[in-house]
Amino acid sequence: AQRVTQPEKLLSVFKGAPVELKCNYSYSGSPELFWYVQYSRQRLQLLLRHISRESIKGFTADLNKGETSFHLKKPFAQEEDSAMYYCALEGGATNKLIFGTGTLLAVQP
Amino acid sequence: NAGVTQTPKFRVLKTGQSMTLLCAQDMNHEYMYWYRQDPGMGLRLIHYSVGEGTTAKGEVPDGYNVSRLKKQNFLLGLESAAPSQTSVYFCASWARAPPYEQYFGPGTRLTVT
Repeated sequence: AQRVTQPEKLLSVFKGAPVELKCNYSYSGSPELFWYVQYSRQRLQLLLRHISRESIKGFTADLNKGETSFHLKKPFAQEEDSAMYYCALEGGATNKLIFGTGTLLAVQP
Repeated sequence: NAGVTQTPKFRVLKTGQSMTLLCAQDMNHEYMYWYRQDPGMGLRLIHYSVGEGTTAKGEVPDGYNVSRLKKQNFLLGLESAAPSQTSVYFCASWARAPPYEQYFGPGTRLTVT
């Protein structure tokens, strides 16, 4: 079964501090993993996907198959990064796109 | 190009009433999804569709039905609404060919009393 776990409901950091949002997954095959962001009163938007290996808004994420993790990182947090972040997994065989419960990132000035 | 739109934006239902939520996309995307978002529970997949005329169950399908008669529209139906279905409903569409675009709708806030 597909499962995505985001252990932190809230992560509070100061501006300029490094950020790491944790995501662990459970899937027996080769998953496709994503991070999404939802700013206050806005719709959900795709932040990045692991297969494209790109950096968006300074965020990066590396898929670690051994630890079944896909943590989101940014070296220096900005106040405008404050938002809800969701990790998601798509199992290729089922095409289901399953989300974690989300982590609220609060960047303090 | 309007992206993904959802109708209605808000709705209040009484227990036992029925309604249909419409998700429309004008990007010719193959895949469409319906989610519900509840505090502390993230987004949970209700039903999804990988193409016109096809639908499949997600994580929480009970009490909902869907149809995808046209590629651009994905309808979510509640036959007999219950208070437990009070939620914010999001639709998403996804292109399975490059550049693999994904877009979400603005959401429908449903309250069942």
